[in-house]
Amino acid sequence: GENVEQHPSTLSVQEGDSAVIKCTYSDSASNYFPWYKQELGKRPQLIIDIRSNVGEKKDQRIAVTLNKTAKHFSLHITETQPEDSAVYFCAAFLTGNQFYFGTGTSLTVIP
Amino acid sequence: DGGITQSPKYLFRKEGQNVTLSCEQNLNHDAMYWYRQDPGQGLRLIYYSQIVNDFQKGDIAEGYSVSREKKESFPLTVTSAQKNPTAFYLCASSIVVSNQPQHFGDGTRLSIL
Repeated sequence: GENVEQHPSTLSVQEGDSAVIKCTYSDSASNYFPWYKQELGKRPQLIIDIRSNVGEKKDQRIAVTLNKTAKHFSLHITETQPEDSAVYFCAAFLTGNQFYFGTGTSLTVIP
Repeated sequence: DGGITQSPKYLFRKEGQNVTLSCEQNLNHDAMYWYRQDPGQGLRLIYYSQIVNDFQKGDIAEGYSVSREKKESFPLTVTSAQKNPTAFYLCASSIVVSNQPQHFGDGTRLSIL
């Protein structure tokens, strides 16, 4: 079954608004959660990550929060811009030496 | 930006043919990975390698094979046993197989003729 679930699959926001993408994971031993941005036809690029000993991490307009008890983590993008439009993937490093990826969220920022 | 180079960018396979996708990295990373990406799905792990001459199957290894003769190189062969090979293939590397960031190549898009 799915080890990492990601919602929503598509998201449209007006420029300047915030966007939130949520992921849940199944393995309580997971300790590392990266987020990747993938523009059409290009490589996924790491935009932010968080480890299990931290509850929140920020980098300018991007933040990630982690709730270990509920086993979910979220990506927050504030003051969205058209160049934020892309597919975003969450991932979790699980026991067994594997990353499991969410199914992706296609974000469209409407100018 | 460099680091991981995948080639070719586009590849076409005929029925019954094996094809090999190239992945080279100059990041001095020990770990390398191959993922398959299909529309509407996340990245799924095909194979990974922790060190030279060692590799492990991922969740969807059937119909694929790999080798790791050099630290810098991790080629993926899509064999004729893989009945649905049309997909976007991504190679990645990380310092070690652990909770460390992965760096991705630009991908190879494989299609069936």
